[in-house]
Amino acid sequence: GQNIDQPTEMTATEGAIVQINCTYQTSGFNGLFWYQQHAGEAPTFLSYNVLDGLEEKGRFSSFLSRSKGYSYLLLKELQMKDSASYLCAVPPGDSSYKLIFGSGTRLLVRP
Amino acid sequence: ETGVTQSPTHLIKTRGQQVTLRCSSQSGHNTVSWYQQALGQGPQFIFQYYREEENGRGNFPPRFSGLQFPNYSSELNVNALELDDSALYLCASSSASGGSETQYFGPGTRLLVL
Repeated sequence: GQNIDQPTEMTATEGAIVQINCTYQTSGFNGLFWYQQHAGEAPTFLSYNVLDGLEEKGRFSSFLSRSKGYSYLLLKELQMKDSASYLCAVPPGDSSYKLIFGSGTRLLVRP
Repeated sequence: ETGVTQSPTHLIKTRGQQVTLRCSSQSGHNTVSWYQQALGQGPQFIFQYYREEENGRGNFPPRFSGLQFPNYSSELNVNALELDDSALYLCASSSASGGSETQYFGPGTRLLVL
């Protein structure tokens, strides 16, 4: 079956670095997505990883290890506006038209 | 470039009623997927439409149905509403059907069933 696990909540301080982990189990693999979702708003696309390694995009980086079924999202120089939920999502290999989402990690950035 | 739009933004219905939610895909996109997101949960896949045909369906009953039009806009219809249907309904568009295509989400319709 398909399963995605993320921590429910995390708290960090403005200016710091935070790592949000995601582990997944899917039949087949077509890459892994990270989305950011502010309360009451739509998810917005952050990153897509299909090969192992780190992809850097400004203050945000995403890492993937396919052999370990593991990814993380790294947020640097945290800002108050980074307070949001971060969703990890995978398209399962046997039905790649859909995304299976984790429950999301609620990040609270404190001054 | 126009992003994904949805209407209405909020809706209140009573149990047993029917509802239609609408979505306009991002320009250049021909695929629309619908998701249901309960409070505190990740989005759950309902179904996807590609070239006006249903291209896959999640674990939702037949009272959830949809359409895609020639301009790639889409509708989600829910019949015989139940209290548990209260959720944020998200539409996402992409440029093709397949796992590697990034899905871009609209702002959602928040449905409350009383």
